[in-house]
Amino acid sequence: GAVVSQHPSWVICKSGTSVKIECRSLDFQATTMFWYRQFPKQSLMLMATSNEGSKATYEQGVEKDKFLINHASLTLSTLTVTSAHPEDSSFYICSASGRGASTDTQYFGPGTRLTVL
Amino acid sequence: AQSVAQPEDQVNVAEGNPLTVKCTYSVSGNPYLFWYVQYPNRGLQFLLKYITGDNLVKGSYGFEAEFNKSQTSFHLKKPSALVSDSALYFCAVRDPSSNTGKLIFGQGTTLQVKP
Repeated sequence: GAVVSQHPSWVICKSGTSVKIECRSLDFQATTMFWYRQFPKQSLMLMATSNEGSKATYEQGVEKDKFLINHASLTLSTLTVTSAHPEDSSFYICSASGRGASTDTQYFGPGTRLTVL
Repeated sequence: AQSVAQPEDQVNVAEGNPLTVKCTYSVSGNPYLFWYVQYPNRGLQFLLKYITGDNLVKGSYGFEAEFNKSQTSFHLKKPSALVSDSALYFCAVRDPSSNTGKLIFGQGTTLQVKP
């Protein structure tokens, strides 16, 4: 139980385009979802937290107009990187917690590798 | 400030030997502590957690961790390491000031198990 999926697993795009990453909880209701960014051999950097039906709360230094987060349902959150640039290339990971799983534990997706050319 | 420290960037052990990956924390109040493992190019997999109760917590894949309040530590252990345990391990503590379950992560420890 407590499975989180992400799609796509990797994506390559041209500079200036937008990319959408989906995060789904497959067997529980994700009342809270988190989006992280990870650089090679580094820890996770929390970008934002979202509750279903509410606007996301962004961490300091994260541009909310660049990283659009939508948590429209209890099983789906999306992260859209708008006007992507090479410096946005990274490994993006989502996690979720909620009803039907352990509410005090975050369960992570497999991650999405974004490469911006 | 709330923080988590993993003092070792890398831990090397021989297959079959016991392993320990260290973690210390600094938070106000009672900590919620977690261990996750990450294989290359993958997300994090939950191993175990301490919320309350018995100080020795057993988790997935034969791992366990001991909560030590006086030493503010939560070291991850396994009696007999496998080569397949080689991965990046993260200790995390729930941020007590967050009402969303936000986690504070350590910097990660690479475990290398050699045959």
